[in-house]
Amino acid sequence: EPEVTQTPSHQVTQMGQEVILRCVPISNHLYFYWYRQILGQKVEFLVSFYNNEISEKSEIFDDQFSVERPDGSNFTLKIRSTKLEDSAMYFCASSQSSYNSPLHFGNGTRLTVT
Amino acid sequence: TQLLEQSPQFLSIQEGENLTVYCNSSSVFSSLQWYRQEPGEGPVLLVTVVTGGEVKKLKRLTFQFGDARKDSSLHITAAQPGDTGLYLCAGVTRPTGGGNKLTFGTGTQLKVEL
Repeated sequence: EPEVTQTPSHQVTQMGQEVILRCVPISNHLYFYWYRQILGQKVEFLVSFYNNEISEKSEIFDDQFSVERPDGSNFTLKIRSTKLEDSAMYFCASSQSSYNSPLHFGNGTRLTVT
Repeated sequence: TQLLEQSPQFLSIQEGENLTVYCNSSSVFSSLQWYRQEPGEGPVLLVTVVTGGEVKKLKRLTFQFGDARKDSSLHITAAQPGDTGLYLCAGVTRPTGGGNKLTFGTGTQLKVEL
């Protein structure tokens, strides 16, 4: 069964550094998402992406965050200048269509900012 | 801000017991989804409920959507150790730009012991 893959599984970075989290969504899916889960807290929506544009973003997704689909298969989340509070599990997801379509999640990238 | 509260937060039961997890919202959603998350993995969809009052069954799991489409419950009959995991409800809204935006609940950590 096709799956969403994320790399790396664990990323450690120093405060102020840029990080890029990578995702390969399921190939025939059209909608792409990033969610995050701070340790011990609930899963939070960051951004949705469709037709090479952001369709919605949350308050968390400020100017330090950006997303890109550079080559038709990868979907990336960039954090320009990481902060300690960016430490979290970041999940990529994709869905085939819009209406009540299930989201397929990757296994996440654990980002640790020191 | 849309909030989904799940109760209980933690549940530890013996194999063979029945249990119910509740998901209550301050908002109406177009649909509601239940996910299960294992340690080190992303959430995996169990079911989507769309219509107020709808009941769906998945083997020993019964899902119900409230008449007002603001709350939901998950009932597990004769729980087994394999049911152990984090259960998440998620309210679905549809951004104008497309896709599905999930607002996750606070989660219920279930442990089923032999």
